Amino acid sequence: NAGVTQTPKFQVLKTGQSMTLQCAQDMNHNSMYWYRQDPGMGLRLIYYSASEGTTDKGEVPNGYNVSRLNKREFSLRLESAAPSQTSVYFCASRATGRDTEAFFGQGTRLTVV
Amino acid sequence: GENVEQHPSTLSVQEGDSAVIKCTYSDSASNYFPWYKQELGKGPQLIIDIRSNVGEKKDQRIAVTLNKTAKHFSLHITETQPEDSAVYFCAASNAGGTSYGKLTFGQGTILTVHP
Repeated sequence: NAGVTQTPKFQVLKTGQSMTLQCAQDMNHNSMYWYRQDPGMGLRLIYYSASEGTTDKGEVPNGYNVSRLNKREFSLRLESAAPSQTSVYFCASRATGRDTEAFFGQGTRLTVV
Repeated sequence: GENVEQHPSTLSVQEGDSAVIKCTYSDSASNYFPWYKQELGKGPQLIIDIRSNVGEKKDQRIAVTLNKTAKHFSLHITETQPEDSAVYFCAASNAGGTSYGKLTFGQGTILTVHP
């Protein structure tokens, strides 16, 4: 019963490096999300995918790209990391885009130095 | 797009007291309002939700109220216990239009329950 699995759990990057955060869900959910969590800012939506084959920008998409690889997997890529991208990143999934529960992964703590 | 404001940012209560957290939203098309609890080092988990055709919902010690006219909703926790200490998030979701599937969160409330 894995639910939503994020890898890695922790990462330190140097400014300018690139990396991909991986997310996979085993609940056959249509919708998937990437959020970042910063102190006092709550959970801010970076990108979401309402269904397989579609992706849309959220509130803070600059500096990020996403790929909905298949129904299970939704990855987040930082092409050139900046210190402002130091944050905790959460992936979530929902059965549909409507009034259903979102399930979250354990988070990835990313530090950019 | 949708904007969700949450207050207070921190809330400290004595065990046994009640706690109330309030949220307002901007998009009248939003029709689903969940509340999430986040414990230290974990992802948020749903504790209760309410849909736009309902004014109030209760689940044991927690309840949520919704006022669609005023565009605000609240979380009420009664008989608080130390294990209620966590960060609480409200959220709003739109089922249609260009924002289909988008789930927007408030800024979070750090609740501390003192024994």
